[in-house]
Amino acid sequence: GDSVTQMEGPVTLSEEAFLTINCTYTATGYPSLFWYVQYPGEGLQLLLKATKADDKGSNKGFEATYRKETTSFHLEKGSVQVSDSAVYFCALMAPRGSARQLTFGSGTQLTVLP
Amino acid sequence: GAVVSQHPSRVICKSGTSVKIECRSLDFQATTMFWYRQFPKQSLMLMATSNEGSKATYEQGVEKDKFLINHASLTLSTLTVTSAHPEDSSFYICSARPLLAGGTDTQYFGPGTRLTVL
Repeated sequence: GDSVTQMEGPVTLSEEAFLTINCTYTATGYPSLFWYVQYPGEGLQLLLKATKADDKGSNKGFEATYRKETTSFHLEKGSVQVSDSAVYFCALMAPRGSARQLTFGSGTQLTVLP
Repeated sequence: GAVVSQHPSRVICKSGTSVKIECRSLDFQATTMFWYRQFPKQSLMLMATSNEGSKATYEQGVEKDKFLINHASLTLSTLTVTSAHPEDSSFYICSARPLLAGGTDTQYFGPGTRLTVL
């Protein structure tokens, strides 16, 4: 079945450092790929997404490129801020199926220190 | 923006009792709501998919008589954990897909409910 493997955390960085959180997936066909972020005490929010190979999703300075050849969707940000501290989830949605279910990675806790 | 609430945010109960968790879409109507369970440091595991007015579809390995799901209106779904046991202790999260979603992959998540069974 479909699965998502995500870089284990926690990750601790200093402000303005470069961030990479690795994500690889296993799926049939061409799934849609997502990054969700969960701030303390809040629900998951969609950060960015890509729906086909070589698409780049971007939002709030974060980027991720859909790499079909390496089945990856790594999250990057050039300069993190304290406010980026949160848990980040990589997820995929299968291309077929009426329920359009999400399959999540295990989440990566990011802490950014001032 | 679209907001999904869950109530309660935390609940502690005794073994053998039943607990009801509510998931509400506050500013939109949801045709489909999803219920997830999350263990510490693990991913969200889909438990079931509920569509308004019909029976929920449960994932393999999820006991439907144990986890009762009701989606009686376009803004409310409930999850009832029946005869709870300590192994049911977990973080339960719901999400809702709007009736008029711009894309079929749009889901909005609630903040989760922490259940502890003593």
